[in-house]
Amino acid sequence: DGGITQSPKYLFRKEGQNVTLSCEQNLNHDAMYWYRQDPGQGLRLIYYSQIVNDFQKGDIAEGYSVSREKKESFPLTVTSAQKNPTAFYLCASSIAGGKAFFGQGTRLTVV
Amino acid sequence: KQEVTQIPAALSVPEGENLVLNCSFTDSAIYNLQWFRQDPGKGLTSLLLIQSSQREQTSGRLNASLDKSSGRSTLYIAASQPGDSATYLCAVTQTGANNLFFGTGTRLTVIP
Repeated sequence: DGGITQSPKYLFRKEGQNVTLSCEQNLNHDAMYWYRQDPGQGLRLIYYSQIVNDFQKGDIAEGYSVSREKKESFPLTVTSAQKNPTAFYLCASSIAGGKAFFGQGTRLTVV
Repeated sequence: KQEVTQIPAALSVPEGENLVLNCSFTDSAIYNLQWFRQDPGKGLTSLLLIQSSQREQTSGRLNASLDKSSGRSTLYIAASQPGDSATYLCAVTQTGANNLFFGTGTRLTVIP
């Protein structure tokens, strides 16, 4: 089945630690995105990539980093510089101008 | 910057009722508009996509309309069922960009 897979489903981060969230798609989509969702707020764009080896900052990129070495993969690293990382993280992919397909999300909690 | 607003924030209806969810956006230079469904703790599922040149799209009991000039879209759900209970989000793609701008959603509860 074609789709977009995020892992892990739950992730716990200690203070000062970097953690990486995985996002893989087999839909052959060029564009991939990372969003953050907080209670009572809409989804906010962290980073997006329209092609391999290229990515752009979204509205809330500070404290996050990404890479796009393969078309299928767009991992997100939450660095220690992100002071309030507890949130629900959603990865998506699409063809240009087409429907966006989302993964099932990763819930990150600081402990 | 594009701002997307959804009203109401929450809605409860008895089973079988027809209902309308509203979405408004401030910049009419959009490429398309999508409606999504999100169940608690889950990702988003795309329901309908309307291109900027279209006025409406239908899928089963769902009908989405778009009035680009007034910056409004509606999602009509016919004969609501308890399984329709979820949060519904709308999102627009700006012309010349690929990323989506989301509203904060409407949480729908259909009461059996």
